[in-house]
Amino acid sequence: NAGVMQNPRHLVRRRGQEARLRCSPMKGHSHVYWYRQLPEEGLKFMVYLQKENIIDESGMPKERFSAEFPKEGPSILRIQQVVRGDSAAYFCASSPADRGRNEKLFFGSGTQLSVL
Amino acid sequence: GENVEQHPSTLSVQEGDSAVIKCTYSDSASNYFPWYKQELGKRPQLIIDIRSNVGEKKDQRIAVTLNKTAKHFSLHITETQPEDSAVYFCAAGGSYIPTFGRGTSLIVHP
Repeated sequence: NAGVMQNPRHLVRRRGQEARLRCSPMKGHSHVYWYRQLPEEGLKFMVYLQKENIIDESGMPKERFSAEFPKEGPSILRIQQVVRGDSAAYFCASSPADRGRNEKLFFGSGTQLSVL
Repeated sequence: GENVEQHPSTLSVQEGDSAVIKCTYSDSASNYFPWYKQELGKRPQLIIDIRSNVGEKKDQRIAVTLNKTAKHFSLHITETQPEDSAVYFCAAGGSYIPTFGRGTSLIVHP
């Protein structure tokens, strides 16, 4: 089992460009979470998805940010018109849990986004 | 929503000493309390978790205690080793989205 795979590991963008972050969950997991981590801060929840469904996006900014988890392929976190404040580590996690029950999260290695 | 407070933010100990990290949570409906360890530049990894029907859980040198009445839970590491140096995050979950504390940077001096 390859674990949760995220790519790229590092992404550099200029202000105004788009950033696309990819996450493939562990085999057998159908639930994906995206978290953002800033230096000296914890993991801030952004969005929770199942295949073809956004279950909870309460932690994601309403503008410029979007997420999807299509029937085929990885989950994508998309940030349009990036600004310097978007610079952070973005972690994806997956779990096999059914909605309504907490299970352990398995994290990917993260994508470090740097906006110049 | 859930709010998780974690203390201390930094903890420095000598090798062989014990380390204790404490967290409090606000939502009495929370019933799952995992702890994650994140080494520098690496992914967070689950080290131990506890559910609300259990007051204490131990795994070798690490243990977690839970006080549901007071809404706090703690991580205990005994006989610390330099490789325990990392950032530790507590989390509390009531439905399906764990809320994380801000983390504790543990430094173990040889």
